[in-house]
Amino acid sequence: KQEVTQIPAALSVPEGENLVLNCSFTDSAIYNLQWFRQDPGKGLTSLLLIQSSQREQTSGRLNASLDKSSGRSTLYIAASQPGDSATYLCAANNQAGTALIFGKGTTLSVSS
Amino acid sequence: GAVVSQHPSWVICKSGTSVKIECRSLDFQATTMFWYRQFPKQSLMLMATSNEGSKATYEQGVEKDKFLINHASLTLSTLTVTSAHPEDSSFYICSARGLAGVGSGEQFFGPGTRLTVL
Repeated sequence: KQEVTQIPAALSVPEGENLVLNCSFTDSAIYNLQWFRQDPGKGLTSLLLIQSSQREQTSGRLNASLDKSSGRSTLYIAASQPGDSATYLCAANNQAGTALIFGKGTTLSVSS
Repeated sequence: GAVVSQHPSWVICKSGTSVKIECRSLDFQATTMFWYRQFPKQSLMLMATSNEGSKATYEQGVEKDKFLINHASLTLSTLTVTSAHPEDSSFYICSARGLAGVGSGEQFFGPGTRLTVL
């Protein structure tokens, strides 16, 4: 059964820093891997979706990579801003039509 | 993009009552919907998978008689928390997967329903 782990659990950085959030998964037969953002008390905002055949996806200051052989994905945030403060969740599924399995998230705090 | 709505967005009820939460795909047909639960400062935990026209599949440890799921159409799934107790207080989030060709199998998430049981 797929398990998703995220480290670190929490991260504090000053504004302007580039940072990397890590996600690892136990079953390399990934169908989709997705990164989400969640603000306190709110729902999920999808950031990036990487399909099995893809190695990375980019959106603005965000870049997510997928390395199935090592069981890892990273979310790179460039030039962090206080507005980036939130919990970032990594999730993956192994077959089309199956549920996403979530990691516990990394709570990011960017100070001005 | 595909939109999923949930209703209500929050609900407060007394212990012992039942609460129904609706999950709707607004601009696409969803063959499969998923229900998740999130306790404070925890991640999302899958409760059940719901396929239109068939019985839901529940994850281990989730009581199917307590959490009733109905997926009667391609755009609506409902979760009913029966005889709710304070320990059922949580954030309930649904997601919907479109038919083939809609979003390449991507799942679209609703905004969540916060349930508080007094």
